Amino acid sequence: EPEVTQTPSHQVTQMGQEVILRCVPISNHLYFYWYRQILGQKVEFLVSFYNNEISEKSEIFDDQFSVERPDGSNFTLKIRSTKLEDSAMYFCASSGPGHIYQETQYFGPGTRLLVL
Amino acid sequence: EDKVVQSPLSLVVHEGDTVTLNCSYEVTNFRSLLWYKQEKKAPTFLFMLTSSGIEKKSGRLSSILDKKELSSILNITATQTGDSAIYLCAQSYNTDKLIFGTGTRLQVFP
Repeated sequence: EPEVTQTPSHQVTQMGQEVILRCVPISNHLYFYWYRQILGQKVEFLVSFYNNEISEKSEIFDDQFSVERPDGSNFTLKIRSTKLEDSAMYFCASSGPGHIYQETQYFGPGTRLLVL
Repeated sequence: EDKVVQSPLSLVVHEGDTVTLNCSYEVTNFRSLLWYKQEKKAPTFLFMLTSSGIEKKSGRLSSILDKKELSSILNITATQTGDSAIYLCAQSYNTDKLIFGTGTRLQVFP
């Protein structure tokens, strides 16, 4: 069964450093998403991406964040200057044709980011 | 104010018990209601509900949507230790995003 994959599984960084989180969505999916989950809190929507542009973003997704689909398979989330409060699990998700529920978002295993 | 509210927050049962998890949502721009199971990491998809009163079933799990009450329930019969997880409910809007509830932590003991 096709899966969303994410790398790295864990990342530790110093405050102020840039990080890039990588995702490979399910092939032939057209819609891509990033969510985050701070430890002990809800899963929160960050951004959605379709047709090579952001279709929606949350208040959390400020100028420090950016997304890109640099080639036909990868989808990345960049945090330009990390803050302590960016420490969280970051999930990538994708949706699109090929499933019974075209709108259903399928999640990757996550990248745990720790900012020191 | 929370838009998706789940109850109970936590549930401890013995194997073989039946459990019912609740989720309430808001009506604004409702498109669908989804249930996910979160074990160690990624939420894994269980059900998507769009129509009221139609039960979705997968093995021992079933779910139903009540649009009049703006709620959904997830039932698990004959629980097993492998059902121990956090069960997440999420509302899909007429946009792309999912808004999640806080989840119900289910612990099943032998």
